[in-house]
Amino acid sequence: DAGITQSPRYKITETGRQVTLMCHQTWSHSYMFWYRQDLGHGLRLIYYSAAADITDKGEVPDGYVVSRSKTENFPLTLESATRSQTSVYFCASSEQGNGANVLTFGAGSRLTVL
Amino acid sequence: AQSVAQPEDQVNVAEGNPLTVKCTYSVSGNPYLFWYVQYPNRGLQFLLKYITGDNLVKGSYGFEAEFNKSQTSFHLKKPSALVSDSALYFCAVRDGGYSTLTFGKGTMLLVSP
Repeated sequence: DAGITQSPRYKITETGRQVTLMCHQTWSHSYMFWYRQDLGHGLRLIYYSAAADITDKGEVPDGYVVSRSKTENFPLTLESATRSQTSVYFCASSEQGNGANVLTFGAGSRLTVL
Repeated sequence: AQSVAQPEDQVNVAEGNPLTVKCTYSVSGNPYLFWYVQYPNRGLQFLLKYITGDNLVKGSYGFEAEFNKSQTSFHLKKPSALVSDSALYFCAVRDGGYSTLTFGKGTMLLVSP
């Protein structure tokens, strides 16, 4: 089924462990984004990518790593998870990154770091 | 820098009454404005956007939004609220020259029967 899928939907991990959240889109959109959603903060941009092998930092990139070797995939890695990274993570994509382009979101990945 | 503010954490309205969810923005150039809705345990869904032209924009599910340049506002409205409209609403802004979208903190809309 076409769309944008995130996995896992739910993840519990421990402080210091590495965690990778996966994002896959079937539209061949150029742009992909990772946001985190926290109460009182709304959505904050972590990283985004304009194309394969092109990534850039957003508002809150510290503690996260991204890669984009293929257009359709944009994994987000927490190299050493901390409790402050407990959040709901949303992946999104769009055809282009400017102006009127609309973001389409995945269903989210809820991460709990103990 | 671009920013957006949603001054109300929660809006309560009775079913059948009109609703307004407020949003103000700040950009250096021309604003591109968006409203998204999030239902429980779901991702955000696009509702409507303002790019240029008519200040009243119509979107999905009977929602509309009014762009006011002098007040730098983009309030979401609906003439008659439904219980099923209860959800978290996000306003977002993009300065035309930038590629990233900046979201507000969200407003929870609760429609009572």
